[in-house]
Amino acid sequence: AQTVTQSQPEMSVQEAETVTLSCTYDTSESDYYLFWYKQPPSRQMILVIRQEAYKQQNATENRFSVNFQKAAKSFSLKISDSQLGDAAMYFCAYSSNYQLIWGAGTKLIIKP
Amino acid sequence: KAGVTQTPRYLIKTRGQQVTLSCSPISGHRSVSWYQQTPGQGLQFLFEYFSETQRNKGNFPGRFSGRQFSNSRSEMNVSTLELGDSALYLCASSLEAGEGGYTFGSGTRLTVV
Repeated sequence: AQTVTQSQPEMSVQEAETVTLSCTYDTSESDYYLFWYKQPPSRQMILVIRQEAYKQQNATENRFSVNFQKAAKSFSLKISDSQLGDAAMYFCAYSSNYQLIWGAGTKLIIKP
Repeated sequence: KAGVTQTPRYLIKTRGQQVTLSCSPISGHRSVSWYQQTPGQGLQFLFEYFSETQRNKGNFPGRFSGRQFSNSRSEMNVSTLELGDSALYLCASSLEAGEGGYTFGSGTRLTVV
């Protein structure tokens, strides 16, 4: 079965520090896309970063970067210089057969 | 560039009624997919449409249906509402198969009483 596991229901970090959110997935496909989405209390789902599985280079978007380990099926998100506006639910997902398969999410709390 | 527009934002319905939710994708996006989000089950895929054709469907009962129009706008319908259908329904659009990422609307919060 295709699954996505986020083992940290909640994480907290001091403002300006770095935090890493974990994600593992299970798929038999060789070519797929991985995503991290952010959902603030406004409930709008916002794309944070995407990774193409056939690319070895880890994706980076400003303060957000991923550590993609294809063999281990691991896709963690690192947020550097955490800001108050980063507080949200973060969901890991991968695309398969025209759908996104989601993890349960990690609630990120930023301490001022 | 306008984002994904979902209407209505909030809806309260009675058990047994039916409901129709609407989604207008980003201009030029031909793929529209729908997700149900609940505290207990998380995010679950409902269905995906591309150029008016359903390409994939999630594991939901037949009470859940959808369609896509020639202008790529999509609707989903839930008949004979049950209390368990209370959820946030999210619509997402993408160019083709979502490789570039999906852009989501703000969702429709459906409450069944």
